[in-house]
Amino acid sequence: SQKIEQNSEALNIQEGKTATLTCNYTNYSPAYLQWYRQDPGRGPVFLLLIRENEKEKRKERLKVTFDTTLKQSLFHITASQPADSATYLCALSRRGYSTLTFGKGTMLLVSP
Amino acid sequence: KAGVTQTPRYLIKTRGQQVTLSCSPISGHRSVSWYQQTPGQGLQFLFEYFSETQRNKGNFPGRFSGRQFSNSRSEMNVSTLELGDSALYLCASSLAFVSGESYEQYFGPGTRLTVT
Repeated sequence: SQKIEQNSEALNIQEGKTATLTCNYTNYSPAYLQWYRQDPGRGPVFLLLIRENEKEKRKERLKVTFDTTLKQSLFHITASQPADSATYLCALSRRGYSTLTFGKGTMLLVSP
Repeated sequence: KAGVTQTPRYLIKTRGQQVTLSCSPISGHRSVSWYQQTPGQGLQFLFEYFSETQRNKGNFPGRFSGRQFSNSRSEMNVSTLELGDSALYLCASSLAFVSGESYEQYFGPGTRLTVT
């Protein structure tokens, strides 16, 4: 069955460093990959969408890569700030389907 | 533009009861999806509605149902509640899914359902 894996352990980094989060998938051929941020008690917030034919996408301090050969996406936050502390979710969807399949998320903790 | 709204925000029910949750999407969004989020399973897709029709359905029992109205507002219903139905229920809206493109989803704050 299809599987989306994100590191279940929290990632602790210092302010100013680059945070790198990983999303691996198996038994899946996504056409789109999205990253969301979720704060406690709130709904996820969309951050970035990358298509299967795109290798990299950037938005301000955020960068996402998508390697369909490795079946992996990397999500980078440069110059991280304590306000970036949250759970980050990756979500996949197939071509022709709008339904998102989510990973369980990785908690990021940025200390001052 | 107003975001996705969900009512009620919190709900406590007892086993065997039924519950209806409501979602108002962002104006102009015709697709509404529902998700269940629990600590153990994460976010799981329940169903998606587009133009009052259920377009996709996740792997949940028939006790979970939903509908969408002509103004794109959506409701989901859970009948014969079980303890395991305790979760955060999230609604998300997005632009119409056309030409094979996938769009980002905008989530509401969720309804926290507790079944005792």
